[in-house]
Amino acid sequence: NAGVTQTPKFRVLKTGQSMTLLCAQDMNHEYMYWYRQDPGMGLRLIHYSVGEGTTAKGEVPDGYNVSRLKKQNFLLGLESAAPSQTSVYFCATRRTGTRHPEAFFGQGTRLTVV
Amino acid sequence: QQPVQSPQAVILREGEDAVINCSSSKALYSVHWYRQKHGEAPVFLMILLKGGEQKGHEKISASFNEKKQQSSLYLTASQLSYSGTYFCGITGTASKLTFGTGTRLQVTL
Repeated sequence: NAGVTQTPKFRVLKTGQSMTLLCAQDMNHEYMYWYRQDPGMGLRLIHYSVGEGTTAKGEVPDGYNVSRLKKQNFLLGLESAAPSQTSVYFCATRRTGTRHPEAFFGQGTRLTVV
Repeated sequence: QQPVQSPQAVILREGEDAVINCSSSKALYSVHWYRQKHGEAPVFLMILLKGGEQKGHEKISASFNEKKQQSSLYLTASQLSYSGTYFCGITGTASKLTFGTGTRLQVTL
């Protein structure tokens, strides 16, 4: 079992370029999330999904788009990268359940926009 | 809206105790606590559900006061391995999980 896998692990983009980050999970979890982590800001929720074909906005969605065409994959897209999007991006997954189960994280993607 | 954590950072000597607080402006259904080592992904510590329950994990325990919309993480007799950044995560609905600003903890000899 790989758990939660993020691709790529590192990337450098030029301002205005586009890219897609992939989060793949083999745990059959319904919920998937994208966070960004910046110094002093903690983990901020960008977008999330409660199931295949659904997405919802988090706290900082501007400049990002997401898709969940398959249950196991959650894609985060940057259409026109800006230096302010330089960050470490984490994907997380959770199963459904009334006891609000824990999140499992990928290893992160370090993105630099120059 | 992100929950607010305090303090932002704390330095302890090995064996000392620490308390990390997490507060929210929204009603909470559950509070999660995670620890992140430098350069790694956050790792789950414990969950507290509304009802004021308290949980423990070795020498780390937590409480949840749903009326005050606050949770506290207690680290007793700290060890070097406790160093890292601690995050609280809150759910107001079952699916949306929002994390706090983080507390950086350093334990020294």
